[in-house]
Amino acid sequence: QVQLVQSGAEVKKPGASVKVSCKASGYTFTGYYMHWVRQAPGQGLEWMGWINPNSGGTNYAQKFQGRVTMTRDTSISTAYMELSRLRSDDTAVYYCARDSTVRGAIGYWGQGTLVTVSS
Amino acid sequence: EIVLTQSPGTLSLSPGERATLSCRASQSVSSSYLAWYQQKPGQAPRLLIYGASSRATGIPDRFSGSGSGTDFTLTISRLEPEDFAVYYCQQYGSSFGQGTKVEIK
Repeated sequence: QVQLVQSGAEVKKPGASVKVSCKASGYTFTGYYMHWVRQAPGQGLEWMGWINPNSGGTNYAQKFQGRVTMTRDTSISTAYMELSRLRSDDTAVYYCARDSTVRGAIGYWGQGTLVTVSS
Repeated sequence: EIVLTQSPGTLSLSPGERATLSCRASQSVSSSYLAWYQQKPGQAPRLLIYGASSRATGIPDRFSGSGSGTDFTLTISRLEPEDFAVYYCQQYGSSFGQGTKVEIK
């Protein structure tokens, strides 16, 4: 079965960077786009971008352009999301999420990684 | 960038009632690229509807989606206790709406 297992919670200071990993199993990693979505405490979902694990191509939401980098390592079926110049309002649960069999519709989600930004 | 606006923000209904949730886009969205998700507290979202009107695998037929252009609707024909949750629309590979909370009246 499809599983997306994310790295553990992080606490960072303002101005620092964070890198979250997402290890995929149960399917062909290069066959499906991977999205990153975040959710601040008590708030809605915010789409950050996607990566095509096959080509490495990316598409980032305008809001995160210049601050986010999505990469992958196909040898270990793992996707990464790095967010730089962290601010307190970046405190959120970060999810990796895979396309369903319909490209663009998100069918599988990781368990989420809480990133707390605090001085 | 297309902005999705959901209404109402909160819907207070009783089990067995019909729920109608709206998602309006700032520009026309291809119907093929509109999805609805359900999220319960402490859980990741779950895909309900893709392509504006197709139910995802395992989704009960009391959930239905409709609409085109800039106006889309998610309907829950008869609310079950497990349906009380927050619902989001999304254009594929782009922003989500701000969500509609369906709460027990």
